[in-house]
Amino acid sequence: GIQVEQSPPDLILQEGANSTLRCNFSDSVNNLQWFHQNPWGQLINLFYIPSGTKQNGRLSATTVATERYSLLYISSSQTTDSGVYFCAVLPLYTGANSKLTFGKGITLSVRP
Amino acid sequence: NAGVMQNPRHLVRRRGQEARLRCSPMKGHSHVYWYRQLPEEGLKFMVYLQKENIIDESGMPKERFSAEFPKEGPSILRIQQVVRGDSAAYFCASSLGSTPYEQYFGPGTRLTVT
Repeated sequence: GIQVEQSPPDLILQEGANSTLRCNFSDSVNNLQWFHQNPWGQLINLFYIPSGTKQNGRLSATTVATERYSLLYISSSQTTDSGVYFCAVLPLYTGANSKLTFGKGITLSVRP
Repeated sequence: NAGVMQNPRHLVRRRGQEARLRCSPMKGHSHVYWYRQLPEEGLKFMVYLQKENIIDESGMPKERFSAEFPKEGPSILRIQQVVRGDSAAYFCASSLGSTPYEQYFGPGTRLTVT
C-alpha cells in the first residue's frame, strides 16, 4: 500500500518562530488532508489539499502532487499550536475504497 | 453547523464487557468511517459505511468487532468481550460522498479497558 512519511518527527520552537512540516507519499493521490491533534486528543481538520496552495490565517499548505509531497507552513507560532500534526492520503486508484492512510505524525512543541 | 459528534467521549469497561461507540455524522453526510489510534501504532482505518451498507471493513479485526450505520440514527461501533488491547482512541469521520471528498473527524471516544 501507499507509504506516508512525515518529517521531522519532532520539532521544538520558540513562540513567534516559523516552521515547515513535510509529508512525502509514495504514490499518486486524489485526497490529501492535514490534521492537528491537540493535547486533549482531538483531531482538527486543517486542510484538504490534494494539489495547489491554500492559506488559513497563520497556516498555509502546498501540495505538489507530481513530486509526491506536501508542506504545511506555520508562521508566528503560538503555544496553542503545540500538538501532533498528521498528514493523511487517499491513493488515486482506489475505486470505492475511501480509507485514508496516515503518516506517523510530527510532534510540535511551542515554548513561550 | 454541528460537526461530527461522538459519544461517549470517555468509556471505561472491564475485560469481557461490551463497548458501544456512537457517531453522528455532519448534517447531509451519508458516508461514515471509523479509525482507531492505538498507542505507538498511529491512526489506522477500520471500516467505511454508507447508510445500511458496509462498503469496506478491511481494517476491522475479524472477531468481536462490528459496525453498522442504520437508516435512522447514528453509526455504532460495537466491541464485544473487550480486552486490554482494545484500549485506544476511536475516531469517526464523515464525508459528503466517497472519493475524493474531505473527511471530517469527530472528537473521538477514548476507550479504557481495565
